[in-house]
Amino acid sequence: GENVEQHPSTLSVQEGDSAVIKCTYSDSASNYFPWYKQELGKGPQLIIDIRSNVGEKKDQRIAVTLNKTAKHFSLHITETQPEDSAVYFCAARSLSGGYQKVTFGTGTKLQVIP
Amino acid sequence: KAGVTQTPRYLIKTRGQQVTLSCSPISGHRSVSWYQQTPGQGLQFLFEYFSETQRNKGNFPGRFSGRQFSNSRSEMNVSTLELGDSALYLCASSLDQGRDSPLHFGNGTRLTVT
Repeated sequence: GENVEQHPSTLSVQEGDSAVIKCTYSDSASNYFPWYKQELGKGPQLIIDIRSNVGEKKDQRIAVTLNKTAKHFSLHITETQPEDSAVYFCAARSLSGGYQKVTFGTGTKLQVIP
Repeated sequence: KAGVTQTPRYLIKTRGQQVTLSCSPISGHRSVSWYQQTPGQGLQFLFEYFSETQRNKGNFPGRFSGRQFSNSRSEMNVSTLELGDSALYLCASSLDQGRDSPLHFGNGTRLTVT
């Protein structure tokens, strides 16, 4: 089955700096890569996603890049703000038993220091 | 449009008991997935239901089961609870995981087994 590795597990940055979180996946057939943000006491919320036919996608301060050859994808947050502090999860969607299944990374706890 | 609703938010049970968790998906969503979230293991896939049928199952013992009703609402049941079952149980709905439809998570049910 699919395996998703995520690094780093914790990340501290100064407000205004950039943050980068990296993930690798094992199943070359994975075709969809969402990123989720989880705040304390809440469920994960989708913040951005990318499909396998696209190399990069941006949404304001957030961007995601995908390297299919190397089987890795990254989340970039620029001009970080205290409200960006949360746990971030990457995920990959692959085929399992004939149906799509989403596998998550183990999460990155991002702390933005004011 | 209302989001994914999970009830109850918190549960405390003792070893050997059983528990039932409930999930109401976003209106119109027919796929419901369940995940177990623990600090050490991240989000682990339990199972996915679509149109009252289990389409996919993760690597959990048979004590974990679920079902989906005709209105797409879903329940999961854990029998003979063990201490290690203490976790946040997350439900996510989507139009159909087989298409480009992201997962939308509820805020989870926090289960504590004593």
